[in-house]
Amino acid sequence: DVKVTQSSRYLVKRTGEKVFLECVQDMDHENMFWYRQDPGLGLRLIYFSYDVKMKEKGDIPEGYSVSREKKERFSLILESASTNQTSMYLCASSSPLTGSQETQYFGPGTRLLVL
Amino acid sequence: GEDVEQSLFLSVREGDSSVINCTYTDSSSTYLYWYKQEPGAGLQLLTYIFSNMDMKQDQRLTVLLNKKDKHLSLRIADTQTGDSAIYFCAEKAGGYNKLIFGAGTRLAVHP
Repeated sequence: DVKVTQSSRYLVKRTGEKVFLECVQDMDHENMFWYRQDPGLGLRLIYFSYDVKMKEKGDIPEGYSVSREKKERFSLILESASTNQTSMYLCASSSPLTGSQETQYFGPGTRLLVL
Repeated sequence: GEDVEQSLFLSVREGDSSVINCTYTDSSSTYLYWYKQEPGAGLQLLTYIFSNMDMKQDQRLTVLLNKKDKHLSLRIADTQTGDSAIYFCAEKAGGYNKLIFGAGTRLAVHP
């Protein structure tokens, strides 16, 4: 079974702190994604990566950065956390198969509270 | 740009059928998906449909696709309390397997 793990289920941080959210997948997937989930807004894509050291901005990249130094690990970084970044963060991975359905597999999520 | 819309809440009685609706805007979408999120968990793929299909059935789940109206629906037959969850509709958009998600429909099943 595909497994996507996230380093923390719950995090509480203070405004201005630097925050690292880690995601690891064990299926050798090329693509990895970071979303945030907010009530009534669904999932919004922050960043994604299609290969090691490669990254692309999603729909809401402001205030975030990412790092992909190894294929299995994709980190989301909040350089200076703000209260409006309080949210549920979901990581996903997938393998690109041209012309076919590509399932995204999700981690359990990290619920971040910024005080 | 791409957009996916769904109603936010649905309440059904146990044993009845549930129908969750979704509309999307990108007519070039190749795949459309339904994901389920149980409380405190990540998203789990329920089913998907390729854009050249009208219907797909998988046990209690039936997906209907109306490409002309860009309308997707998920029907759950004999809804059980274990079906209570948030259901997300998503369309594949662009390269790198980017998905555009709706806001999610919270399904509540009551006795």
